[in-house]
Amino acid sequence: QKEVEQDPGPLSVPEGAIVSLNCTYSNSAFQYFMWYRQYSRKGPELLMYTYSSGNKEDGRFTAQVDKSSKYISLFIRDSQPSDSATYLCAMSANAGGTSYGKLTFGQGTILTVHP
Amino acid sequence: DADVTQTPRNRITKTGKRIMLECSQTKGHDRMYWYRQDPGLGLRLIYYSFDVKDINKGEISDGYSVSRQAQAKFSLSLESAIPNQTALYFCATSDHGGGPRYNEQFFGPGTRLTVL
Repeated sequence: QKEVEQDPGPLSVPEGAIVSLNCTYSNSAFQYFMWYRQYSRKGPELLMYTYSSGNKEDGRFTAQVDKSSKYISLFIRDSQPSDSATYLCAMSANAGGTSYGKLTFGQGTILTVHP
Repeated sequence: DADVTQTPRNRITKTGKRIMLECSQTKGHDRMYWYRQDPGLGLRLIYYSFDVKDINKGEISDGYSVSRQAQAKFSLSLESAIPNQTALYFCATSDHGGGPRYNEQFFGPGTRLTVL
């Protein structure tokens, strides 16, 4: 079983829809949770990050973490065609030494927002 | 100018050939990483380096080697390329500082490698 599971989609929605992207994980040591966005032919870029459980909002994007269920989500409100990309969740344990800074990624979800 | 650059951007090679992918960064970060990305498998860590004298294997290091020539340069080699190493390869960097954003990794544009 993978440490981080993410539905690869693809997910296709109309412009203006609310999008929900999700990941589950098995490693209870994960403390930092991130969402990266990757446009076609580009490297991933950090979109959102959260520490431990709770919600974080940034414009049209909301990241949600439920550590008790080992489940994280990214919500996109009023989705736009420019949101079309692959979204990858990523996680890291808050540990020192050699594991510090290492990320474990989900498989990525391909999202298309059509006009 | 791009902060993390990778060369080449595309490469087609044959089975058994030795290949080197290069990564350079101007972000001044200590930490550098090599990942491969395959459809349905996401990003998988090949090697990582926390400074010039520190090299560590990731989850899929077999068939690969790396060299950290300087703080700014981190190269990935395929000693004898095989078709299942066909993938998109990314270099990334991160800072060593504390706080949540220490986890932020900055990725290069990727190298698309095809092994025939």
